[in-house]
Amino acid sequence: DAKTTQPNSMESNEEEPVHLPCNHSTISGTDYIHWYRQLPSQGPEYVIHGLTSNVNNRMASLAIAEDRKSSTLILHRATLRDAAVYYCILRQAHSGSARQLTFGSGTQLTVLP
Amino acid sequence: DSGVTQTPKHLITATGQRVTLRCSPRSGDLSVYWYQQSLDQGLQFLIQYYNGEERAKGNILERFSAQQFPDLHSELNLSSLELGDSALYFCASSVGITGYGYTFGSGTRLTVV
Repeated sequence: DAKTTQPNSMESNEEEPVHLPCNHSTISGTDYIHWYRQLPSQGPEYVIHGLTSNVNNRMASLAIAEDRKSSTLILHRATLRDAAVYYCILRQAHSGSARQLTFGSGTQLTVLP
Repeated sequence: DSGVTQTPKHLITATGQRVTLRCSPRSGDLSVYWYQQSLDQGLQFLIQYYNGEERAKGNILERFSAQQFPDLHSELNLSSLELGDSALYFCASSVGITGYGYTFGSGTRLTVV
């Protein structure tokens, strides 16, 4: 699987937007970009995924660079509940075989009141 | 409630013992994945089952085994336990082999004393 690179940690103020970057320079054409987050003492939680176009859902937005070598997860108004480790993961589509999620070290987001 | 149920939530046992962790996947999901999360190693993929068959193996020790039953629930068996096996064990489920959007359970915290 192609590798992703994320900052180890980021801080944000409550109710401000947060932009979490992810670099994936070796991404292939069939790799989807997935984001998961893990709140303290909980299992990872799906946030959003995309292939080429920007995506929005109730939790966040995903902005994908035109060359797909980087992406940004956007939390529009951070809350204290958004403090978590955020993982950017590449996953091949229709690989024809079992494809587990491979987690890196992620970005620890701290939200300051 | 994510829809993936893991039992027990906490388990304390002695070295050398054997334990069984149970996972019930989300309704309709055929794939079950097991992950181990220890403080120093992050989320490590152990093994995947799809509709009763083993599909992928990660860094799973020979002392560990798993199975998926006809009703699709899965069990992870850990034997000859060592102090280093103390960790959070997560189960995740998804629709199919190449389905994306994994749902994780809240985990079983295993402490080996």
